[in-house]
Amino acid sequence: ETGVTQTPRHLVMGMTNKKSLKCEQHLGHNAMYWYKQSAKKPLELMFVYSLEERVENNSVPSRFSPECPNSSHLFLHLHTLQPEDSALYLCASSQAWTGRNYGYTFGSGTRLTVV
Amino acid sequence: TQLLEQSPQFLSIQEGENLTVYCNSSSVFSSLQWYRQEPGEGPVLLVTVVTGGEVKKLKRLTFQFGDARKDSSLHITAAQPGDTGLYLCAGAGEGAQKLVFGQGTRLTINP
Repeated sequence: ETGVTQTPRHLVMGMTNKKSLKCEQHLGHNAMYWYKQSAKKPLELMFVYSLEERVENNSVPSRFSPECPNSSHLFLHLHTLQPEDSALYLCASSQAWTGRNYGYTFGSGTRLTVV
Repeated sequence: TQLLEQSPQFLSIQEGENLTVYCNSSSVFSSLQWYRQEPGEGPVLLVTVVTGGEVKKLKRLTFQFGDARKDSSLHITAAQPGDTGLYLCAGAGEGAQKLVFGQGTRLTINP
């Protein structure tokens, strides 16, 4: 496989469930990101991992918990979510900071619905 | 806080027409990218511009970075239904790894 792969593509979960989103990149990148995309809002950065260390956490509620076991894999663990957390969750990867940002490669996203 | 404003937010035109989408900020960016996102998919990188005044062409798409590196435009010539999608601009400040995204322009090309 090539590029950035996200699983599952669709997820429906109750507010008391625990689930995890998975992201895998095959590009040799060493930085990975979680973004949330809601209707009528710009892409919201949630977490940044660079060289497997979390370098940014944008005031995300603790019901979202990221994990980056190695430079190719990124997880987003979900628990006790709220209906307003329903959105498209996008994973992206890039080369860690080299002096200029040339853009990200995104996965296809996980469409999450909280009921 | 760096912000990117895109205009228009929505644009619906007929096949064969030309259009321009704008991305503006009061901040200076060291690089700026344009992405296209289709329904049910993630954004796909179209181009990166890094030099003030730079112009890049991708078939019928022309991208320009402003001289002061605060704004950018995307011009599409003879639009086709396959150009339909959400167009996002994103910028990185000096020394910044993370990107700031605009809210997007939703483009519909009608046959």
